[in-house]
Amino acid sequence: GENVEQHPSTLSVQEGDSAVIKCTYSDSASNYFPWYKQELGKRPQLIIDIRSNVGEKKDQRIAVTLNKTAKHFSLHITETQPEDSAVYFCAASKSGYSTLTFGKGTMLLVSP
Amino acid sequence: GAVVSQHPSWVICKSGTSVKIECRSLDFQATTMFWYRQFPKQSLMLMATSNEGSKATYEQGVEKDKFLINHASLTLSTLTVTSAHPEDSSFYICSVATNEKLFFGSGTQLSVL
Repeated sequence: GENVEQHPSTLSVQEGDSAVIKCTYSDSASNYFPWYKQELGKRPQLIIDIRSNVGEKKDQRIAVTLNKTAKHFSLHITETQPEDSAVYFCAASKSGYSTLTFGKGTMLLVSP
Repeated sequence: GAVVSQHPSWVICKSGTSVKIECRSLDFQATTMFWYRQFPKQSLMLMATSNEGSKATYEQGVEKDKFLINHASLTLSTLTVTSAHPEDSSFYICSVATNEKLFFGSGTQLSVL
């Protein structure tokens, strides 16, 4: 089955800095890569996603890049703010949402 | 995105009792819902896929007789943790999919004493 590795497990940055979280996947057939943000005790929220026919997608301060050859994708957050502090999960699937495999998560802490 | 309501948000129960968790899709009819389990500081693990009008599909290693799933309508799926034990303590969270995206309920924190 699919295996998703996520790094780093924790990331501390100063407000205004950029943050990058990286994930690798094992199944070359995977074609859908969402990112979720989860605040403590709350539901994961979809923040951005990318499909394999696109190399990069951006939404304001958040961007995701995908390298199919290397089988890795990354989340980039620019101009970080304290409210960006949360756990971020990457995921991958090859047949839609029903087979999503999640990474282990990255705890991002943005200090004022 | 989809609006998913999950109840209760937290529950404390004695060992040996059963606990029912409800997941409702509020703004569209969901023929399929998904149940995940999340241990502290760990990732989301799919437990089962709930199918309206038919039996749920369980992931490997998940006991179907312990985690009973009922999806009796297009807007409601329930997960019953039967004869709960302390090791069942976890964050249980349901999800629905629309427009090929997955949206989560608010989760239920189960603590078994």
